[in-house]
Amino acid sequence: AQSVTQPDIHITVSEGASLELRCNYSYGATPYLFWYVQSPGQGLQLLLKYFSGDTLVQGIKGFEAEFKRSQSSFNLRKPSVHWSDAAEYFCAPVTQGGSEKLVFGKGTKLTVNP
Amino acid sequence: NAGVTQTPKFQVLKTGQSMTLQCAQDMNHEYMSWYRQDPGMGLRLIHYSVGAGITDQGEVPNGYNVSRSTTEDFPLRLLSAAPSQTSVYFCATHGRTYEQYFGPGTRLTVT
Repeated sequence: AQSVTQPDIHITVSEGASLELRCNYSYGATPYLFWYVQSPGQGLQLLLKYFSGDTLVQGIKGFEAEFKRSQSSFNLRKPSVHWSDAAEYFCAPVTQGGSEKLVFGKGTKLTVNP
Repeated sequence: NAGVTQTPKFQVLKTGQSMTLQCAQDMNHEYMSWYRQDPGMGLRLIHYSVGAGITDQGEVPNGYNVSRSTTEDFPLRLLSAAPSQTSVYFCATHGRTYEQYFGPGTRLTVT
């Protein structure tokens, strides 16, 4: 069965520190891959996406993510976290040309300390 | 363009009452979905639609009905509200690139 895992429920970092949020998936074929961000009290906004090609993709707000086929992972990174990055982050794989059931990981809540 | 709109923003129901959460999009997307978000559970798919007249169940469909008579609208009906349906509900739409666009959400409390 298809599944997505975000192993870290809650991460706390200091402002200016680097960040990596993990996402692992289990799909029969390489899916399209998305990261979304949800600021407190808001809806979800797309951060970045991977369809094919270069495995390192750039997104908004200085985020990037790297697709690693061998590890079935699509981890989100940022070199220097800002206080405004405090939010919840969701990974969402999508089967290429398959079911339209779009599911999300359970999310990672990021707290940023001053 | 408004994108995806949801009404109401907040709602309080008593157990057993029914109501409809409205969702509309002006992006001309075929695909629309309803999710509920609960602490620690992420977003769980309730129902989805791949076009007018076509709907299907997601992960947690029990207690909810949907219909899709037009491309623009995808209402979610709670037939007999229960406290377990207290949640934040998000409507989303996407086109063929699968990038999802979300509404602002409806916060529902069932007492």
